[in-house]
Amino acid sequence: AQSVTQLGSHVSVSEGALVLLRCNYSSSVPPYLFWYVQYPNQGLQLLLKYTSAATLVKGINGFEAEFKKSETSFHLTKPSAHMSDAAEYFCAVSDLTQGGSEKLVFGKGTKLTVNP
Amino acid sequence: GAVVSQHPSRVICKSGTSVKIECRSLDFQATTMFWYRQFPKQSLMLMATSNEGSKATYEQGVEKDKFLINHASLTLSTLTVTSAHPEDSSFYICSARDFGYSGTPSYNEQFFGPGTRLTVL
Repeated sequence: AQSVTQLGSHVSVSEGALVLLRCNYSSSVPPYLFWYVQYPNQGLQLLLKYTSAATLVKGINGFEAEFKKSETSFHLTKPSAHMSDAAEYFCAVSDLTQGGSEKLVFGKGTKLTVNP
Repeated sequence: GAVVSQHPSRVICKSGTSVKIECRSLDFQATTMFWYRQFPKQSLMLMATSNEGSKATYEQGVEKDKFLINHASLTLSTLTVTSAHPEDSSFYICSARDFGYSGTPSYNEQFFGPGTRLTVL
C-alpha cells in the first residue's frame, strides 16, 4: 500500500517569506501525487497534481511542487507567503481501494501559520 | 470547477439515533463517490467507495452495518450512521469523481464537499 509522510505538523512563516511544506511518499511504481488545501471547517481544494508529466508542477495561488524520484519527495513551495495562505495542507498519493479502483491516501497534514 | 455539496453541514444527535448525510454533485454526474472521515487535527481516512447503482466497497476496518452508503443516482450519495455513539463524532467529507471530466488519461480528479460535522451526545 502507498503511504505519504508529511514532515512537520505545523509550519510558521512570516508574510512574504518562502513557504516550504515537505512530503515524502512510498511507492513501488511511479505514483500520482497531489497537494490539497483545507480551510477551517471546509472540504479540500486541489492545489496541484503530478501525473508523470513535467516534474515541476505549478498550481493555483502561486504554489508549485517538484517531483523528485531519487528522493521520493514532492515538496510544496511558494516564494512569498500571504496571510490568506494560512490553512491545513495535505499531500496525497493515489492507491487502489479494496475493490481495485483508485483512491487517495493522505498524509497527516501540515498546518501553515502566516505571521504578519 | 465541479461543485460538490453536503447536507447538513453540522448535526448534533443523541446516542442511539441514526443520522443521514447527503452528498450531491451539482454540475456533473458522479460515477464514483468517496466517503472520508477526519478526526480532529488528523488526516482523512477513506471509509468507502460507492459507484452508482452498485454496492459500496468498504475499506478494511469500517463497519458496513454501521455506516450505510447508498449511491442511487449519478448526483447523490448518502451516508447513514446507524445507532450513533459518541465515538462516531467526527468530520465526514465526501468527494465525487466523474470519468468524463477533463483530466489525465489515467486519473480523474476528485472534487470534495465542504464536510459535515457530526456530534453525538
